[in-house]
Amino acid sequence: GAGVSQTPSNKVTEKGKYVELRCDPISGHTALYWYRQSLGQGPEFLIYFQGTGAADDSGLPNDRFFAVRPEGSVSTLKIQRTERGDSAVYLCASSPALGETQYFGPGTRLLVL
Amino acid sequence: DAKTTQPNSMESNEEEPVHLPCNHSTISGTDYIHWYRQLPSQGPEYVIHGLTSNVNNRMASLAIAEDRKSSTLILHRATLRDAAVYYCILRDVNNFNKFYFGSGTKLNVKP
Repeated sequence: GAGVSQTPSNKVTEKGKYVELRCDPISGHTALYWYRQSLGQGPEFLIYFQGTGAADDSGLPNDRFFAVRPEGSVSTLKIQRTERGDSAVYLCASSPALGETQYFGPGTRLLVL
Repeated sequence: DAKTTQPNSMESNEEEPVHLPCNHSTISGTDYIHWYRQLPSQGPEYVIHGLTSNVNNRMASLAIAEDRKSSTLILHRATLRDAAVYYCILRDVNNFNKFYFGSGTKLNVKP
């Protein structure tokens, strides 16, 4: 079946701009997660959703980062006033329910110039 | 959160077994041991997990020390496709949705 998909696969933007990154989870998966991965490092937890609500957003680095999942399926990670330090691969994962195996998408590579 | 320690890199020959170690000396009784791997330019993928007993699946085996302070992921016959970064992760059963990946072990498989 279809896995987790993320769009765009690559995004280049200028410092100060606003970006949106989209995640389509596996159909029927109720839990959705966002991670950020810098070059040479492991993924770093940002936020996860159970259904439509953000169950834990403690990993978001600051208030420029925000994520939504209005209908309990697709999620969008929003970054305002981007900075060069935001450049990274943003990974999305989903799981059938909380506590079950997470299935990752291929990521969105964000480059802030 | 309990942390894990892994070698930065390891090398193996194709079709030979590979033993990837992980130390987790501060593991708590409610921590599960998970292994994920990340192939180049892909997201991580689940490999195996366990709590106390050794585990086997089609991809690998997981050997857990009796005191649970270390574990070893075993690939029985490495293939070129197994070249990836392998992450050993502790997952608290009471807070199981946060994964702390660490830097992992980069496995290079030589033909």
